[in-house]
Amino acid sequence: QVQLVQSGAEVRKPGASVKVSCKASGYTFTRYEINWVRQASGQGLEWMGWLNPNTGNTAYAQKFQGRITITSDTSKSTVNMELSSLRSEDTAVYFCARASDYTQFAMDVWGQGTTVTVSS
Amino acid sequence: DIRLTQSPSFLSASVGDRVTITCRASQDINNFLAWYQQKPGKAPKLLIYGASALESGVPSRFSGSGSGTVFTLTISSLQPEDFATYYCQQLESYPLMYSFGQGTKLEIK
Repeated sequence: QVQLVQSGAEVRKPGASVKVSCKASGYTFTRYEINWVRQASGQGLEWMGWLNPNTGNTAYAQKFQGRITITSDTSKSTVNMELSSLRSEDTAVYFCARASDYTQFAMDVWGQGTTVTVSS
Repeated sequence: DIRLTQSPSFLSASVGDRVTITCRASQDINNFLAWYQQKPGKAPKLLIYGASALESGVPSRFSGSGSGTVFTLTISSLQPEDFATYYCQQLESYPLMYSFGQGTKLEIK
């Protein structure tokens, strides 16, 4: 079945970096874009960035420019999101989600979420 | 940047009620508007895309409407499993950017 499976929970100290992976299966990997969305505890959804696995093109929310890098490994059907210079406010659940023109670029399949905790 | 404002932020209703949630955009978003349902500890679930298209597998009691800057999500007859938080989301194509409304928490009265 179509699914996105994310890597496990991470704990980092302030100033460190974290890389979260998202492995796709059950569909043609290059046909769908991958977004990253995060959610702090009790808060709303926040879009972070996007990657097109077919072209490698990326787009990032202005808030994260300079700290976020999204990459893909087509051979492994995996998209990675790395966030650097972590601070306590980056403690959140991070989701990957696919989108395409089939759904006018709404996000129709989501990963299970990865908890990232930033604490000294 | 386009901002989305949902109303109400909290909604208390009973099973069987008809409820409507509104999402207002700060400028015209060409119907690139989606609605999601999220339950505690779970990933969001797509309900509606393109302002009014029902995602496959979503019950027909959910419907979306609107255009330009004002959009609504309606649940025609609330079921126990519908109590959750609902988010609207829009896409700007240039520069590419998504944004979400602040959410509407639907609680049992």
